[in-house]
Amino acid sequence: GAVVSQHPSRVICKSGTSVKIECRSLDFQATTMFWYRQFPKKSLMLMATSNEGSKATYEQGVEKDKFLINHASLTLSTLTVTSAHPEDSSFYICSAPDYRVNTEAFFGQGTRLTVV
Amino acid sequence: KQEVTQIPAALSVPEGENLVLNCSFTDSAIYNLQWFRQDPGKGLTSLLLIQSSQREQTSGRLNASLDKSSGRSTLYIAASQPGDSATYLCAVKNNAGNMLTFGGGTRLMVKP
Repeated sequence: GAVVSQHPSRVICKSGTSVKIECRSLDFQATTMFWYRQFPKKSLMLMATSNEGSKATYEQGVEKDKFLINHASLTLSTLTVTSAHPEDSSFYICSAPDYRVNTEAFFGQGTRLTVV
Repeated sequence: KQEVTQIPAALSVPEGENLVLNCSFTDSAIYNLQWFRQDPGKGLTSLLLIQSSQREQTSGRLNASLDKSSGRSTLYIAASQPGDSATYLCAVKNNAGNMLTFGGGTRLMVKP
């Protein structure tokens, strides 16, 4: 299947700093990517839809100024957690649908963010 | 609003058993349904994708069925192995451009 690469896999940062997470589609182009957040032993909750060449669409309750999304190219979307707080600690996963394969969704490896 | 439910939330079986994981969804107007596997602390691995016009898909020991009218899908795992231990998630897409709506997952433990 298609490959989606997410980096970094783990990051620890201090409160008040910003962290950037990258999501790349390695062997296909993705005009749309999705960012999810997963709490321990819980399912995935959609945070936002990243659109190449236009603004991201955020789900209700997600602060767009805190979670900045930039879809810089057809193969790269970034999520920046700004002014991080301990409650932002979580597992963040990106996804990209491969339109060559009936829009089957492929996921990155996830990023474990810990804010201390 | 689409809601996806998975039953059971957790399941423990001895090695070699055949098992069924259940997924139900409230809005039957789906585009496709996908089953994923997630190992602890890892991303999601796509197992099977069923288009809305299909009734089942098979891959090795895995078989997924879809009954769109009743809003149900099942994932059948034959001859389970300890390596099958993971969380299994089902997710539905309501149209081609949309994101996936996930169920809560089933945590499977296969004991040697």
